[in-house]
Parts: sequence; structure tokens; C-alpha cells
Amino acid sequence: EAQVTQNPRYLITVTGKKLTVTCSQNMNHEYMSWYRQDPGLGLRQIYYSMNVEVTDKGDVPEGYKVSRKEKRNFPLILESPSPNQTSLYFCASSLVRQVTDTQYFGPGTRLTVL
Amino acid sequence: SQQGEEDPQALSIQEGENATMNCSYKTSINNLQWYRQNSGRGLVHLILIRSNEREKHSGRLRVTLDTSKKSSSLLITASRAADTASYFCATDAVRIQGAQKLVFGQGTRLTINP
Repeated sequence: EAQVTQNPRYLITVTGKKLTVTCSQNMNHEYMSWYRQDPGLGLRQIYYSMNVEVTDKGDVPEGYKVSRKEKRNFPLILESPSPNQTSLYFCASSLVRQVTDTQYFGPGTRLTVL
Repeated sequence: SQQGEEDPQALSIQEGENATMNCSYKTSINNLQWYRQNSGRGLVHLILIRSNEREKHSGRLRVTLDTSKKSSSLLITASRAADTASYFCATDAVRIQGAQKLVFGQGTRLTINP
């Protein structure tokens, strides 16, 4: 089944404790991205990647890092999480030639930073 | 600034009735998409309409696009309880650096009452 998976689905952590949210897709998509969703602010893109070893900042990249060592995986790293990073996070993928076409979303990771 | 904005923010109707949601955007687009999000879950792509199309159907969904008014509408006919969800429009936009991106509106929360 074609899908985007994220882990963990729920995470509660404390300020400053490094964490990684994994994202994997099995559709051979070149383009992958991370969004955060906050009430009243909608979905905002954090980082995106057009292909292996190619990553770029989205609209709200501060406090986040990403890597793209393999085509299928695109982990989101929070080196020193802060409470303002409490949010619902989504990974998404698509074909690179259709970056603004259909996006396939993961199930989401609900992160709480205390 | 927001590219796509949905209206109304919330809509509550009886099962069997039709639901109409609207999306307005500011700059010219190549395509416009509609996504559905069940509570706390990932977004699911519903339909994409290109700028040279005026209307598109998919099952009980009907999407219209009026590029002169920079607006789109999503009509769900014969609504069901399972249609209860948030609905988002997404439009393509161009970053300052020239790369393309998708911009999501803040969504319409649709509730279908049995």
C-alpha cells in the first residue's frame, strides 16, 4: 500500500531534550516536506527536499533540522525543543515534477514540549 | 499573507443536505486543490482543478474555479456523517527564491448532524 509513515505518533518531551521524528514513504517520490499545524495558523511548511541530499528552508525553519540521505526517508530533528514547538507535525511527499500537485500526507505526530 | 482562505470557518448541516465551502486566493495560480482532514489525522487529497478548468467532479464532490474572481467552491452533495471533517484548499505559489510551494488555507470545519 502506498503510504507515508511517521513515528512516533505522539510524543511528550521536555525543553532542550533532542528528538527526531521519522518520516518514510514507499512511493519513490523525490519531493518530501514537513509541515506544522497550529490552531489559527493553518499548515506551515518547515523544510522541504527536492531529492537526496537537497534540502531547503520552508516558511518556519527556525529550531528545526532535516536530512535526506535516502530517497525514502526524511527525518525532522529538533536539537533543543522549546514549548513553542508544541504542535501537530505532518510529513508529505509528491513527485518532484509535480511539487504543487497532489501531496500525500503522513498520519501526523502530536508533539508536546513541556 | 494568506494565499487561500476558506469560508465559512465552520458549517453544520443535516445529513442528506448539500454542503458548500468557498476558497478565495490572492495571486494567480496554476492549480487549486482541496484536501480533507479528519480530526487529528493527516490530510487526504480530494481533487485538483487546473487554472484552465472551470468545473470538476469526483463522486459526490463538485469543484468550481473562477479565476476572474480568484475563488473556488467545493460542493459535497447528499452529505453523510462520514463527511464530518475539516476541508482545506491549497494553491500553488512561488517563493522569493523562485521555488514553488503549496499554500494551505485555514480550513472549513464541516459537521454533519444525523
